[in-house]
Amino acid sequence: AQSVTQLDSQVPVFEEAPVELRCNYSSSVSVYLFWYVQYPNQGLQLLLKYLSGSTLVKGINGFEAEFNKSQTSFHLRKPSVHISDTAEYFCAVSDRGNYQLIWGAGTKLIIKP
Amino acid sequence: NAGVTQTPKFRVLKTGQSMTLLCAQDMNHEYMYWYRQDPGMGLRLIHYSVGEGTTAKGEVPDGYNVSRLKKQNFLLGLESAAPSQTSVYFCASSYSSGGNQPQHFGDGTRLSIL
Repeated sequence: AQSVTQLDSQVPVFEEAPVELRCNYSSSVSVYLFWYVQYPNQGLQLLLKYLSGSTLVKGINGFEAEFNKSQTSFHLRKPSVHISDTAEYFCAVSDRGNYQLIWGAGTKLIIKP
Repeated sequence: NAGVTQTPKFRVLKTGQSMTLLCAQDMNHEYMYWYRQDPGMGLRLIHYSVGEGTTAKGEVPDGYNVSRLKKQNFLLGLESAAPSQTSVYFCASSYSSGGNQPQHFGDGTRLSIL
């Protein structure tokens, strides 16, 4: 069965520094990949998704992610973070043909001034 | 532009009490989901629905029931609340199947069981 691992529960980073949030999934079958963001006391909203095609996916708020099939990874990156990026970030995977999402445990991005 | 609306936003219950959480979406989505979110565990699927009048069990269905009498509404019921059901509950909806459609979330219901 598919599983998703977000390797870091918290990532502290200074404002304007780059950041990478890591996500690995278990199964190498064809997948769809998503990153969601949850701001404090809010629901989750879609940041970006990989369905097919280019392995580099760009999302909202300057975030991007790269699909690496051989390493079964989908790491999220931003070249320069802002205090407003403080949130929890969730990676999710669905196997093609299965509408259920499998979720990672989340990574809290902590921006230090 | 409401999207997915959950009511109530907060609730405190005593052990053994019952309650219903309401989710309403105005996007004409076929699929609806109920999740619970607990610290360090991500989101876990409780029940889901693939269309009006249908429901199915997710990963953690015990102690919960659901109904989808109308396409736009998905209700989550707790018949006899237990402290282990203290959590944040999220409703989500998506347009279709195949896994490639993003899910749209409500703002959550924070439920405490004393």
